[in-house]
Amino acid sequence: DVVLTQTPVSLSVTLGDQASISCRSSQSLEYSDGYTYLEWYLQKPGQSPQLLIYGVSNRFSGVPDRFIGSGSGTDFTLKISRVEPEDLGVYYCFQATHDPLTFGSGTKLEIK
Amino acid sequence: QVQLKETGPDLVQLTQTLSITCTVSGFSLTTYNVHWVRQPPGKGLEWMGAMWNGGGTDYNSAFKSRLSISRDTSKSQVFLKMNSLQTEDTAKYFCARLSSSWELDYWGQGVMVTVSS
Repeated sequence: DVVLTQTPVSLSVTLGDQASISCRSSQSLEYSDGYTYLEWYLQKPGQSPQLLIYGVSNRFSGVPDRFIGSGSGTDFTLKISRVEPEDLGVYYCFQATHDPLTFGSGTKLEIK
Repeated sequence: QVQLKETGPDLVQLTQTLSITCTVSGFSLTTYNVHWVRQPPGKGLEWMGAMWNGGGTDYNSAFKSRLSISRDTSKSQVFLKMNSLQTEDTAKYFCARLSSSWELDYWGQGVMVTVSS
């Protein structure tokens, strides 16, 4: 199974600062069709996960442009510029390239 | 608008079978895939399996032969059944829609299931 290793495990950020989360895969996430099925989700406290980024860098509808996904192959990053209070929660990367689909272990973002 | 809602028991006895229904609206099960994800209390997310729009299924081998996913397209419902429940199966169970670009774009609110001895 593909293992997604997220770092850091937790992150404490001052409002207005930037946050960066890494997701490293045990295998390349580029599929044979050339697409990379790497996504980012945010689970706010007490809520269901919500989609932020798909295809490495595409923002889902309504997601602010403060959220920027990047990377390729096995190394991916989610950057959140100008962190706001509503950004707190647990961030998960997820891969849909290989079966079984797998999630990273999560990164908890706290506001200082 | 797109909605998914899970319904199921709060409590299931050890070794018994769990049955959860995901009722969807705003889209067709013959167009979109529906996936199941679970989350033990205080832990991360685990992909369980999928019902493909063509009627096929896919399962995480971690669940071996315990898991079964089916659907009733006339009722817009997808069903999860898992047998031989253990205490470690205590979790919140979510269904989610997989979009055409293979992302889980809409999620249900989840149903919390406790396995009790």
